[in-house]
Amino acid sequence: NAGVTQTPKFQVLKTGQSMTLQCAQDMNHEYMSWYRQDPGMGLRLIHYSVGAGITDQGEVPNGYNVSRSTTEDFPLRLLSAAPSQTSVYFCASSYSGGHYGYTFGSGTRLTVV
Amino acid sequence: TQLLEQSPQFLSIQEGENLTVYCNSSSVFSSLQWYRQEPGEGPVLLVTVVTGGEVKKLKRLTFQFGDARKDSSLHITAAQPGDTGLYLCAGVPGNQFYFGTGTSLTVIP
Repeated sequence: NAGVTQTPKFQVLKTGQSMTLQCAQDMNHEYMSWYRQDPGMGLRLIHYSVGAGITDQGEVPNGYNVSRSTTEDFPLRLLSAAPSQTSVYFCASSYSGGHYGYTFGSGTRLTVV
Repeated sequence: TQLLEQSPQFLSIQEGENLTVYCNSSSVFSSLQWYRQEPGEGPVLLVTVVTGGEVKKLKRLTFQFGDARKDSSLHITAAQPGDTGLYLCAGVPGNQFYFGTGTSLTVIP
């Protein structure tokens, strides 16, 4: 089982550039989420989805867009990258909204210069 | 303001020592989870506690959920270098899933 697959693993962007972080899961999980992890801040929720076609904002949604056209895929789009978006991004999926645990991808380390 | 506060933030101990990590909140949680994260990887679920006062054991790790379901603790007995990592608590007080600030544990051989 692949679990949750994130690509790319590393990325460097220039300020103002846009890009899409890919996330795919093969466990047929309805719930998927994007988190960013910064030193001393723990994991903060960016956007989440409770099923195909349904998305909602988390704690820190500004500057990011998501869509969920299939159960398997949940891409995260950075519209115009800023240095404040330098972070490690994690995608996670769950069977039941997290009550029984999330499965995480291995992360994307993004640097915006 | 963090919904879930963990303490201590950093912990460095010798192999064989015991330790306790705390996760506190002013909110009531329907469940709390503990994860361990190693460098360069995503968090991995260790345990979920659901009932107030519940105690769960995973080998040398003991997890407890507070009676009021607002706090939790993780106790490690006879720590080993393989326990080194970032420990995160997480839970759902409403309709979103929140993570704690994390405790970075280093076990020195």
